[in-house]
Amino acid sequence: GEDVEQSLFLSVREGDSSVINCTYTDSSSTYLYWYKQEPGAGLQLLTYIFSNMDMKQDQRLTVLLNKKDKHLSLRIADTQTGDSAIYFCAENRSGGSYIPTFGRGTSLIVHP
Amino acid sequence: EAGVAQSPRYKIIEKRQSVAFWCNPISGHATLYWYQQILGQGPKLLIQFQNNGVVDDSQLPKDRFSAERLKGVDSTLKIQPAKLEDSAVYLCASSLVSSRGTGWYEQYFGPGTRLTVT
Repeated sequence: GEDVEQSLFLSVREGDSSVINCTYTDSSSTYLYWYKQEPGAGLQLLTYIFSNMDMKQDQRLTVLLNKKDKHLSLRIADTQTGDSAIYFCAENRSGGSYIPTFGRGTSLIVHP
Repeated sequence: EAGVAQSPRYKIIEKRQSVAFWCNPISGHATLYWYQQILGQGPKLLIQFQNNGVVDDSQLPKDRFSAERLKGVDSTLKIQPAKLEDSAVYLCASSLVSSRGTGWYEQYFGPGTRLTVT
């Protein structure tokens, strides 16, 4: 099975908050990441969180980490149409590497 | 600052043909990565270079895939012969130093090459 699991789709109204959830498997992961992929483009790192943190806020983005449940979430406040994209959760691979292992991605659709 | 460049952007070939992809990383980035992203999945690392040496190619199907990074700058990824299941987007990424050990450095991704094998 997948190391990192996410729901495939999320639809929200413009101006609402979006919450994208993710579960991961490797409790030794040092970093957890959120990437954004727009159509026809490569991945762009949105934010990351160290495993010893519970929360990280960066403008409209809030990342919550529950290490006990191996659950990561990304909240986007005041979601805009430009936020429509695929969002990938990732954990760093074990063995001292910081290379991300990606989930399948959540397709966020923002409608007016 | 120019980003990671890849070419071609799209390629359609028949199975059993050969294909090559090219990547030019961000200037000064020592580490280069090739990922395969199959439709509906997240990217999977194929190979990682540190300068012109291979750091990790454990997930590269070496019977048909090869990659090189001559002179530690540009890189090419080749598939020979291609199979239907190789249809995917091939992403190149680069970072300042290796994502291993002493610290983490952000990977910057190129736009990818979309390969369709018919």
